Amino acid sequence: AQSVTQLDSQVPVFEEAPVELRCNYSSSVSVYLFWYVQYPNQGLQLLLKYLSGSTLVESINGFEAEFNKSQTSFHLRKPSVHISDTAEYFCAVSGQNSGGSNYKLTFGKGTLLTVNP
Amino acid sequence: GAGVSQSPSNKVTEKGKDVELRCDPISGHTALYWYRQSLGQGLEFLIYFQGNSAPDKSGLPSDRFSAERTGGSVSTLTIQRTQQEDSAVYLCASSLRTRPLVYGYTFGSGTRLTVV
Repeated sequence: AQSVTQLDSQVPVFEEAPVELRCNYSSSVSVYLFWYVQYPNQGLQLLLKYLSGSTLVESINGFEAEFNKSQTSFHLRKPSVHISDTAEYFCAVSGQNSGGSNYKLTFGKGTLLTVNP
Repeated sequence: GAGVSQSPSNKVTEKGKDVELRCDPISGHTALYWYRQSLGQGLEFLIYFQGNSAPDKSGLPSDRFSAERTGGSVSTLTIQRTQQEDSAVYLCASSLRTRPLVYGYTFGSGTRLTVV
């Protein structure tokens, strides 16, 4: 079965500082990788996804993530954070091993990003 | 509707009682998921509906949990004889396509269930 590890449960940073939220997943024949964001008192929203092609994917609000197959990682980065980026971030993976599905996501436990002034 | 609607938003129930959680997906979405988000845990897959196909119930944690989807639209998740460990946020998501992971799906805001 797939597994996802988010190494940091909480990441406090100051506004305008860079941030990296780490995500590692168990290996699979092929994977789809996702980052979801959950703002306070809101539902989950898709932030970005890797399906195939370029290993660097970007979101519209300045986040990016790079798929690294050799390290089985999909870390999320932003060069300069804003207070409005305060939220919980979830890494998720769907893989296709034998008998696997292409519709079920396995989520990490989440990383709470707190941006302080 | 404009988004995935879940009701109630909050539910407090006594241990041993039955509860029903409702999900109203985006109109026309054929795929519907239920996930559970427990405190300090990631999201746990519960069940998946896709059109008229048999649902994937492999994530339901016990036989006290059941779900149905009527008319390919509204879904109800039922928990019988609730236990304290059932306390969690129950999330519903829906998607338009048959390959929801490619085309994306939309989450509702969830139902926060507290069993006392």
